[in-house]
Amino acid sequence: EVRLVESGGGLVQSGGSLRLSCAASGFTYSNSWMSWVRQAPGKGLEWVASIKQDGGEKYYVDSVKGRFTIARDNVKKSLSLQMNSLRADDTAVYYCARVWSGSFYHWGQGTLVTVSS
Amino acid sequence: QFVLTQPPSASGTPGQRVTISCSGSSSNIGSNTVNWYQQVPGTAPKVLIYSDNKRPSGVPDRFSGSKSATSASLAISGVQSEDEADYYCAAWDDSLKGVVFGGGTKLSVL
Repeated sequence: EVRLVESGGGLVQSGGSLRLSCAASGFTYSNSWMSWVRQAPGKGLEWVASIKQDGGEKYYVDSVKGRFTIARDNVKKSLSLQMNSLRADDTAVYYCARVWSGSFYHWGQGTLVTVSS
Repeated sequence: QFVLTQPPSASGTPGQRVTISCSGSSSNIGSNTVNWYQQVPGTAPKVLIYSDNKRPSGVPDRFSGSKSATSASLAISGVQSEDEADYYCAAWDDSLKGVVFGGGTKLSVL
């Protein structure tokens, strides 16, 4: 069974930093692209970032470029999102997702990040 | 604003056929596959349709996806009360070099 478990969310002040983690199990992690997708309260889904199997390619939505960094550890089967210079509009539930066949095929339960201004 | 356009709401009575549209452009739907996600409020999204028209195991066959040019559709034949949820389409965008979502469609089963 595929499991993705996010952690690291919480309350942070505007301008602060937070690091999210995602622990993966139940599939060959090193063979999978991985992504972060977020959802602001009461809003729709927004893709945040994706990383290739070997970490050699990374993509970000424009609104987080230069502030967020996606990374992975294939030995520990973990994914991370380092978030700096946080803003109020970064407040959202952040989901870790496994990419398969071009889709976000498996999702974690999400972790809430609240940025206070 | 969302790059992919979906109607904000849709509705149907039990047993009816319901369709949800997703309109994009040549840089996303026109050149990449479309995926559909279902999200029951308070829970994580789940993939409903991937690669335009493929269903993951466990997804009922009343759900189907199609695509033509720069538009895609999700059809639910014989909608049931448990299908009440939010539905999102998504695709890779070659110009933006990222995944774009539609704004979501809230399905009500009357």
